[in-house]
Amino acid sequence: DIQMTQSPSSLSASVGDRVTMTCRASQSINKYLNWYQQKPGKAPKLLIYIASTLQSGVPSRFSGSGSGTDFTLTISSLQPEDFATYYCQQSYSTPQITFGGGTKVEIK
Amino acid sequence: QVQLQQSGPGLVKPSETLSLACTVSSGSVNSYYWTWIRQSPGKGLEWLGYIYYSRSTYYNSSLKSRVTMSLDTSKNQFSLSLTSVTAADTAVYYCATVATTRGYSYFDFWGPGILVTVSS
Repeated sequence: DIQMTQSPSSLSASVGDRVTMTCRASQSINKYLNWYQQKPGKAPKLLIYIASTLQSGVPSRFSGSGSGTDFTLTISSLQPEDFATYYCQQSYSTPQITFGGGTKVEIK
Repeated sequence: QVQLQQSGPGLVKPSETLSLACTVSSGSVNSYYWTWIRQSPGKGLEWLGYIYYSRSTYYNSSLKSRVTMSLDTSKNQFSLSLTSVTAADTAVYYCATVATTRGYSYFDFWGPGILVTVSS
C-alpha cells in the first residue's frame, strides 16, 4: 500500500498568517492527490483535487501544489473558519485508497 | 448536487454484523461510484471500499474478508455490511460519492456520518 505522511501533525497560527502543510507519498503518485478539510463533528469536505484544482465554492486563499511524492497545501491568509484538520488522500492506487494522518491547524 | 443520508444502528454487539445504509437524493445510485470511509474516535480516515453502479466492488485489503457493499436501486441506496465486529470497529462511518475527472478520482459529496459503537 502507498503510505501518506503529513507534516506537521499540528500547527498553531494566527488569523491572517500564511500557512503551509505538506504531504509525502511513499512512492510517486503523479498528481493523484486530493485535500480535505474536516471540522469537529463534521464530515470531511473536498478542497482540492488532482493536486492543484480547487473544488467549486472553495475560497481562492486555498491552493495546492506538487507532483510525484511531495505535495503542499497553502492557505494564503488564514481565516477563523479555517481552523480545522486537513487530510491528504492518494488515488493513484485506485481502488486501494489511503489517507494521510492529518494536520490540525489551531489558533495561536 | 447529490445529497446523502445515512441510517443504521448506533450500537452493535461484539461478534455481530454492522449494517449501514446510505440513501441518495438528487441523484441516482445507478449513476455514480460510491464509497465508505470510517474514522475511529480521535483518529484519521480509513477507506473501506468502493461499489460501482455496475455493482463491481473493491475493498480495503485489511478488511476484505469481513466487508460487503451492495446497491438497492429500488430504495436508491447503497449499503455496508461488516461482520464479526470488535471494539476496534467503533468509529464514525461515512458514505460518499466518488467523482472522476480524466481518470483521477476524489470524494466530492459526503454523508453526515454515523457513530457506531461496538459494545456488549
